[in-house]
Amino acid sequence: DAGVIQSPRHEVTEMGQEVTLRCKPISGHDYLFWYRQTMMRGLELLIYFNNNVPIDDSGMPEDRFSAKMPNASFSTLKIQPSEPRDSAVYFCASSPGDEAFFGQGTRLTVV
Amino acid sequence: AQSVTQPDIHITVSEGASLELRCNYSYGATPYLFWYVQSPGQGLQLLLKYFSGDTLVQGIKGFEAEFKRSQSSFNLRKPSVHWSDAAEYFCAVVTGGGADGLTFGKGTHLIIQP
Repeated sequence: DAGVIQSPRHEVTEMGQEVTLRCKPISGHDYLFWYRQTMMRGLELLIYFNNNVPIDDSGMPEDRFSAKMPNASFSTLKIQPSEPRDSAVYFCASSPGDEAFFGQGTRLTVV
Repeated sequence: AQSVTQPDIHITVSEGASLELRCNYSYGATPYLFWYVQSPGQGLQLLLKYFSGDTLVQGIKGFEAEFKRSQSSFNLRKPSVHWSDAAEYFCAVVTGGGADGLTFGKGTHLIIQP
């Protein structure tokens, strides 16, 4: 398996634009997590899914953020409209139920 | 709710010296415990994990960690660090039987001096 695949690796966008981050989890993993990492706040859990169903989205900062998992092999994290304070590295991780396997992350810069 | 504390934000160690990174958790029962490492510009990689059994666990890259129930700790150790060990280290816990509640500490930044 190629591991958790995230795209794009880097994204630069202008404030107000819509941004979509993509994630392909490891096949067979029941859990999928979206994390955000910044210098100030460290690694924050935004939302996680179990069997494609969102379980806990309490970490989603505000309504501008939304996440979907239409099937077991794909998830998106969307920010609309984007703001400079959304600049961070966004990680997707999947898990079979214990340890989590992380993607390489998407570095988002909102200018 | 469970929590994870890594009291050291930064640690500087000379190459070849021993290393211990501290991790304490707050939870009523024994959780699953993990250490992850993050090199610059990379995702997190699992170093080792503890679920049950022997409280001293061995991981990759020569790391080990010891679970101490009485202290609610899971400290990471390495007898002799290499320059390539410079990275960010995260302790994490999972409570319950699944990945629900995967919680990370704030991380410890390890600097290796020549």
